[in-house]
Amino acid sequence: DGGITQSPKYLFRKEGQNVTLSCEQNLNHDAMYWYRQDPGQGLRLIYYSQIVNDFQKGDIAEGYSVSREKKESFPLTVTSAQKNPTAFYLCASSLTGGVNTEAFFGQGTRLTVV
Amino acid sequence: AQSVAQPEDQVNVAEGNPLTVKCTYSVSGNPYLFWYVQYPNRGLQFLLKYITGDNLVKGSYGFEAEFNKSQTSFHLKKPSALVSDSALYFCAVRDKAGGSYIPTFGRGTSLIVHP
Repeated sequence: DGGITQSPKYLFRKEGQNVTLSCEQNLNHDAMYWYRQDPGQGLRLIYYSQIVNDFQKGDIAEGYSVSREKKESFPLTVTSAQKNPTAFYLCASSLTGGVNTEAFFGQGTRLTVV
Repeated sequence: AQSVAQPEDQVNVAEGNPLTVKCTYSVSGNPYLFWYVQYPNRGLQFLLKYITGDNLVKGSYGFEAEFNKSQTSFHLKKPSALVSDSALYFCAVRDKAGGSYIPTFGRGTSLIVHP
């Protein structure tokens, strides 16, 4: 099955911990994205990558980091600098960064600070 | 910047009745517009997109969307709603960032279909 896989589905983080969210796609897509979703706020862009070994900050990149060492993988690390990390995190990919290409989403990771 | 707006946080409709979820857009140049659906605790699923051509775009699960250039709108419609259509719906556009375009979403509209 082709698709985009996020893991884990649920993640609990202690104060001061870094955690990494996995995102893998086998669609051969060039572009990948990370969004954060909070109730009533829609989707906010954290980071995006148009090609391997290159990525750009989105609107709310502070406290997050990413890497894109392989085309298939775009992991997101939530660092201890992120003051309010509890949220639903969505990874997406698209064939290109073109203006008319749709995005495909993973099932999301719900992160909770305990 | 390219953007979309969804003026309604929630839409309520009875099962079997037609439904409309509203979206307005602000873009420079040709508009390329998208609708996505999100079920609880799941990722977004692509429903349909407008590129050029017919103003009525047909998509998945019986949904369609009407593009209206004079009103800068791209409303999602379905002739007969099902309870299973209850979900969160997002209108989207791609906003230019550097040399590419980033998916940018409205705030979402919660559709509730009552039995």
